[in-house]
Amino acid sequence: AQKITQTQPGMFVQEKEAVTLDCTYDTSDQSYGLFWYKQPSSGEMIFLIYQGSYDEQNATEGRYSLNFQKARKSANLVISASQLGDSAMYFCAMREGETSYDKVIFGPGTSLSVIP
Amino acid sequence: NAGVTQTPKFRVLKTGQSMTLLCAQDMNHEYMYWYRQDPGMGLRLIHYSVGEGTTAKGEVPDGYNVSRLKKQNFLLGLESAAPSQTSVYFCASTDSFLKGGYTFGSGTRLTVV
Repeated sequence: AQKITQTQPGMFVQEKEAVTLDCTYDTSDQSYGLFWYKQPSSGEMIFLIYQGSYDEQNATEGRYSLNFQKARKSANLVISASQLGDSAMYFCAMREGETSYDKVIFGPGTSLSVIP
Repeated sequence: NAGVTQTPKFRVLKTGQSMTLLCAQDMNHEYMYWYRQDPGMGLRLIHYSVGEGTTAKGEVPDGYNVSRLKKQNFLLGLESAAPSQTSVYFCASTDSFLKGGYTFGSGTRLTVV
């Protein structure tokens, strides 16, 4: 069974608008971490934001925020005021557990295109 | 500001050949990882290391071996390459497996013919 689901293979957003990229996850662990990464067309992977399962507040990093709904097991990425440079693949990832041997697994990704 | 450096960046192998991918990081990170990326499948963990001299299997370890003799280097070996190992390989490292995001290398594009 897929641990990380990203149901939107491709998304379009108008420049300066906000966009939400969906991520749902499956785990029976109480302690886990959620991550979002960006991969531009140049190919490098860039870490954006982290949310811990025990964090009470949603994580924010500049224009990125993570809408964490624990009961629904969702961790959606919200990008405010989209820019052309936001066009990229976005990957949701999860670490189950809290030891160094617990692995981080990635979802299949969502392609975001920002339209001028 | 080197960060994580992967060599080589591109390689074409014939089926059955062997090769080693090198990952070097200059951030004194404890934890290092090898992932492969295939279209539509995100990244899948091959092997990882939680410290110098340690290695562990990830999701897709078959056909690969790794070594971490020095803290800054993590080597990925293919003993007998197969076309199914055609992929983009990423190395990553972090100093905080709990909250820290990974720093990734720029990737190695490997084609096995």
